Amino acid sequence: DAGVIQSPRHEVTEMGQEVTLRCKPISGHDYLFWYRQTMMRGLELLIYFNNNVPIDDSGMPEDRFSAKMPNASFSTLKIQPSEPRDSAVYFCASGQETQYFGPGTRLLVL
Amino acid sequence: GDSVTQMEGPVTLSEEAFLTINCTYTATGYPSLFWYVQYPGEGLQLLLKATKADDKGSNKGFEATYRKETTSFHLEKGSVQVSDSAVYFCALSEVGGSNYKLTFGKGTLLTVNP
Repeated sequence: DAGVIQSPRHEVTEMGQEVTLRCKPISGHDYLFWYRQTMMRGLELLIYFNNNVPIDDSGMPEDRFSAKMPNASFSTLKIQPSEPRDSAVYFCASGQETQYFGPGTRLLVL
Repeated sequence: GDSVTQMEGPVTLSEEAFLTINCTYTATGYPSLFWYVQYPGEGLQLLLKATKADDKGSNKGFEATYRKETTSFHLEKGSVQVSDSAVYFCALSEVGGSNYKLTFGKGTLLTVNP
């Protein structure tokens, strides 16, 4: 298996633009997690899905953030409009008790 | 709520030195405990885990023992290598139901010099 795949790996955008991050989980994994990592706040869980259904989105910082999982092999995290404070590395992970992380998307909002 | 506290870094060691990274936790139930490692520019990888009291997780020369009485899960390695330089995260997951949320510590940066 190729592992968790995320795209793009790097994204540079200007404040106010829409950003879409993509994730393909490991086949057969029922759970998918989105995390954000910054120096100041460490690793934060934003939202997670079970069988494509959002279970807990209490970590989503505000309404500018949204996540979807239209099928078992694809999820998106969207930020609209983006702000400089959204600059971070965003990780997708799949699995259950053991989570397998993707390589992350490094987002820079200017 | 659940929380994980791990020792502040950075930790700098010489090759072949002994490593300990302390981790303690607070949880309402009986969590599973994990150590994840993050190499530069990469995502987190599971290093080892333990699911019940007195279990010892081990991998690549690293070990950690689940100590319920002291609510600890300290990471140890007898002889570190330059290639072990990375950020190490302690984490817990509450067992039961469909809750697989991981609670992470803040991470400890380890640098091993030749």
